[in-house]
Amino acid sequence: QKEVEQDPGPLSVPEGAIVSLNCTYSNSAFQYFMWYRQYSRKGPELLMYTYSSGNKEDGRFTAQVDKSSKYISLFIRDSQPSDSATYLCAISSGATNKLIFGTGTLLAVQP
Amino acid sequence: GAGVSQTPSNKVTEKGKYVELRCDPISGHTALYWYRQSLGQGPEFLIYFQGTGAADDSGLPNDRFFAVRPEGSVSTLKIQRTERGDSAVYLCASSQKTAGELFFGEGSRLTVL
Repeated sequence: QKEVEQDPGPLSVPEGAIVSLNCTYSNSAFQYFMWYRQYSRKGPELLMYTYSSGNKEDGRFTAQVDKSSKYISLFIRDSQPSDSATYLCAISSGATNKLIFGTGTLLAVQP
Repeated sequence: GAGVSQTPSNKVTEKGKYVELRCDPISGHTALYWYRQSLGQGPEFLIYFQGTGAADDSGLPNDRFFAVRPEGSVSTLKIQRTERGDSAVYLCASSQKTAGELFFGEGSRLTVL
């Protein structure tokens, strides 16, 4: 079993839709949860960084962590064509930036 | 520029050849990480440096892979006797501290023919 599972998609939605992206993880020792966005042929860039269960909101993006079920989510409201990218979830112990990434979900927002 | 810089951006080589990939981290960042991303996969950790020393090299797949950071800034990832399975994007990232926000470069795309 992989330490982080993520549906690779692709996911195609119309502009303005709410997007839900999800990952599950297996090791409850991991305490820090991140979402990265990666445009084609670019490096990943950090979108959201959370610790412990609960929600964190930043503009149109909301990250949600449920440690009891080892489930993390990213919601994008009012999606835009510029949101089209691969979204990677990542987990870590928090002691270093040795991250374990999911496979990434390819999102296309159609104008 | 202010970001993480990686060279070359693209490298095509033949099986069995030696390759060096260079990473110039953000100025002042003490921690430097190398990841490898295969097609359709997320990045996989290779090695991390805190200053000049490799603090964790547990992700290096075998002894053909080696990385250095002699002056605590620029790092070079070295791959000997390349194999077709080494083809991937090699990503470098740096952070101001051991943990905290990680900034990635655009990667070096290696193709082994």
